[in-house]
Amino acid sequence: GNSVTQMEGPVTLSEEAFLTINCTYTATGYPSLFWYVQYPGEGLQLLLKATKADDKGSNKGFEATYRKETTSFHLEKGSVQVSDSAVYFCALNSGYSTLTFGKGTMLLVSP
Amino acid sequence: ETGVTQTPRHLVMGMTNKKSLKCEQHLGHNAMYWYKQSAKKPLELMFVYSLEERVENNSVPSRFSPECPNSSHLFLHLHTLQPEDSALYLCASSQDHGGDEQFFGPGTRLTVL
Repeated sequence: GNSVTQMEGPVTLSEEAFLTINCTYTATGYPSLFWYVQYPGEGLQLLLKATKADDKGSNKGFEATYRKETTSFHLEKGSVQVSDSAVYFCALNSGYSTLTFGKGTMLLVSP
Repeated sequence: ETGVTQTPRHLVMGMTNKKSLKCEQHLGHNAMYWYKQSAKKPLELMFVYSLEERVENNSVPSRFSPECPNSSHLFLHLHTLQPEDSALYLCASSQDHGGDEQFFGPGTRLTVL
C-alpha cells in the first residue's frame, strides 16, 4: 500500500535560516506528490505539488523536487520567516484512491 | 463565501448529546471528505463521498454518521461520543474522487466532556 514518511519535528530555526524537511514515500504506480501547510487554527492548504519524476514544485519561496530514484520529495526554503511557522504535511495520490498523508512536521521559526 | 466553510468552529458536548457538524463547499466539486486530526497522530480519513454517494468508510464507529444531501453540503452527525473523540474535524473537497488536489475547510474543534 501507499505510505509517506516525514522527519519528526519540531524543527526549530532562526529567521533567515535554510530549511529542509525530508519526505520519502512508497506507492504503486506513478503518484502525484504534494506538500500541504497548516497554520495555527486553520485547515490544510496546498503549498506545492509535482505530478511526475524530476518535476519541481514551487510556491512562496518553497521548493520540492520529485525524485523517483530515491522516492523522495524533500521540502526546502532558502530563508525562512517567522510567518512560516506551521505544520507541514507531505502527501501522495496514486490516482486510485484518496490522498495518503505523512504525520506532519512542525516548523518553529524564531526572530 | 468562497472555498470550503465549516460550522461551528468550536463545539463542546457531553457524552449523551447529539450534535452535527456542517461543511459547505463553493467550488463546484464532486467529492467531499471528512478527516479527524488528533494531537500527535496522522490525519485520519473517515468518510469519502463522490456525487453524493459514500465511497469510503474507514472503520469509523457508528456514533459518527455522515450525510451528504447534495454535492455542496456534507454533515457529520455525532451521538454518544467518547472523550477520545475530541479532535479537530476537517472537511475537504476535490473536483473528483481520487483527484489530486483537495481543498480544506478550517475545521471544527470538538471537545467531548
